Amino acid sequence: DAGVIQSPRHEVTEMGQEVTLRCKPISGHDYLFWYRQTMMRGLELLIYFNNNVPIDDSGMPEDRFSAKMPNASFSTLKIQPSEPRDSAVYFCASSQAPTGPNGYTFGSGTRLTVV
Amino acid sequence: KQEVTQIPAALSVPEGENLVLNCSFTDSAIYNLQWFRQDPGKGLTSLLLIQSSQREQTSGRLNASLDKSSGRSTLYIAASQPGDSATYLCAVVYGGSQGNLIFGKGTKLSVKP
Repeated sequence: DAGVIQSPRHEVTEMGQEVTLRCKPISGHDYLFWYRQTMMRGLELLIYFNNNVPIDDSGMPEDRFSAKMPNASFSTLKIQPSEPRDSAVYFCASSQAPTGPNGYTFGSGTRLTVV
Repeated sequence: KQEVTQIPAALSVPEGENLVLNCSFTDSAIYNLQWFRQDPGKGLTSLLLIQSSQREQTSGRLNASLDKSSGRSTLYIAASQPGDSATYLCAVVYGGSQGNLIFGKGTKLSVKP
């Protein structure tokens, strides 16, 4: 398996523009998580899905953020409109069973810069 | 509040030294604890995962231990090498959650040749 695949690796956009981050989880993993990493706050959970259904979106900072999982092999995280404070590294992770022995597998992340 | 704490935030050691990284968590009811490595500008690589029923896990020069009663885990690195330089993150899935992973801020390790 190629692991968790995220695209793009880097994104630079102007304030006010829409940004869409993409994630392909490992096949067979029923859980998908979106995290954000900043120097100040470390890694924070934004939202996660189980069997394509959003379970907990309490970490989504505001209405400008939205996430979808239309099928088991694809998820998007969208920011509209983007702001400079959204600049961070966004990670996607998947898991077959988060409480089990295999834990999480993370993608390589998308480094977002909003200017 | 369920948190994970890692001390120190940074550590510098000479090559060849054995070292211990520390992680503490606020609730002994956990499903598992996972140690990750993150190189600058890169993603997270899973190193070791310890289930709640286990006391330790080993992989090569790495050994992770878990003491739920004291809310602590340690990552032991034997015979450190410059290639071990990275940030090490500890993360916990707390009991009662649906599986979300809560991270510490990490320990940035520098191994000097």
